[in-house]
Order: sequence, then structure tokens, then C-alpha cells
Amino acid sequence: QVQLQESGPGLVKPSQTLSLTCTVSGGSISSGDYYWSWIRQPPGKGLEWIGYIYYSGSTYYNPSLKSRVTISVDTSKNQFSLKLSSVTAADTAVYYCARDLVWEYYFDYWGQGTLVTVSS
Amino acid sequence: EIVLTQSPGTLSLSPGERATLSCRASQSVSSSYLAWYQQKPGQAPRLLIYGASSRATGIPDRFSGSGSGTDFTLTISRLEPEDFAVYYCQQYGSSPTLTFGGGTKVEIK
Repeated sequence: QVQLQESGPGLVKPSQTLSLTCTVSGGSISSGDYYWSWIRQPPGKGLEWIGYIYYSGSTYYNPSLKSRVTISVDTSKNQFSLKLSSVTAADTAVYYCARDLVWEYYFDYWGQGTLVTVSS
Repeated sequence: EIVLTQSPGTLSLSPGERATLSCRASQSVSSSYLAWYQQKPGQAPRLLIYGASSRATGIPDRFSGSGSGTDFTLTISRLEPEDFAVYYCQQYGSSPTLTFGGGTKVEIK
């Protein structure tokens, strides 16, 4: 059974960089069959896809966030990470990591999510 | 960018009733790339339907998906108490970009 677990600071100051890591267990991030995504959900609102990475390091980002987002992968640790720069209060959200099947583009496994609050 | 509009925003129904949720796209969406999720408070979304009409593993057959082009529907044939939740549709488009609808809340009447 694949499991994903987000980790990182729950509080980030405005203008700083938000950094989160997703640890994958029960399966290899290097399998080549999946993209590994970040998705966020502001409190009480809907879902927004941030971007995804393939095990090779290829990335695809939401155009609305592309200038501030970096997603990276560490296959040796079976982890992938998110960095979001120049954050504001609008970036306050629950951040999820999720897996989607290559060429299928739906999310079959999700982490439990982690709330990140942007506040001074 | 393809925008997904879900309606109604809230659906008030009783257990045992049929729920029909709509997801309308601003441009045609490949049926292969339309999915539905269920989200309960404090939980991550759960995949229900992919490819517009294929049920995910372990999803009861009271959940069904249909549609093509710009109009897609999620139907819950008979609501069980555990089905009261928020439902989201999601599509994949070129660029590549994945987008979600705004959600439909199914609440107990």
C-alpha cells in the first residue's frame, strides 16, 4: 500500500520561501509509472494543482504559479519537495502531495495534507 | 486554460435519494482525462471516478460517472450516510495543466 506523507514548517513569514517534503513509502518513486504532484487548498476553498515532477527530474508547473515554484526529487530518499518563494497570506493553505499515473492524469494516492500558514 | 464549473454549489438531499452532480467545462475535455473526487472534512480527497466513467478501486457501484465533451455528471444512485461530503471534478488539458472544479457539497436535508 503506497503512502505519502508531507512534512515541513507550519508557519512561514511573508516574502519568505515555503519548503515542504513528501516522503513516499510502499513504492518506489523511481518506478517511472507516475508523476508526483503538489496540490493545495486554501481554508474553506477548492483545490489548486501546483505542479508535478517525474523521477527523472522533468517538471511541469501551473502557469499561474510557475514563476515562484520549484519541485525537486531525491530518488535515493524516495522523496520529492516543493519550494514556493515570495509567499503572501494568499498562499496559506493545506498542501497535499499526490501521485498520478503517467498519461492518465488523475490522483490515486494522496498524503494527509499539511497546513501552512503565512503570517508574521 | 479550461475552467470547470460545478453545479449546484450545494445539494440538500436525504439518505436513500439520488444525487446528480454536474461538471461543465469551458472547452471540450477528453473523456479520458476527467476525474471525480470525494472529500470529507479534515481529509484528503479520495478518487472516485477516472476516465469520466471508470470507478476507482474499492468504490461502490452506487457511484457512476458519465458525459463527454463539455458536460459530465457524477451520479450517486442511493445516498448512504457516509456519502455526504464535497465532490470535485478534475481535468487534464494541454500545456500540461490540471484543473479542478469549485466543488459541490452534498448535505443532509
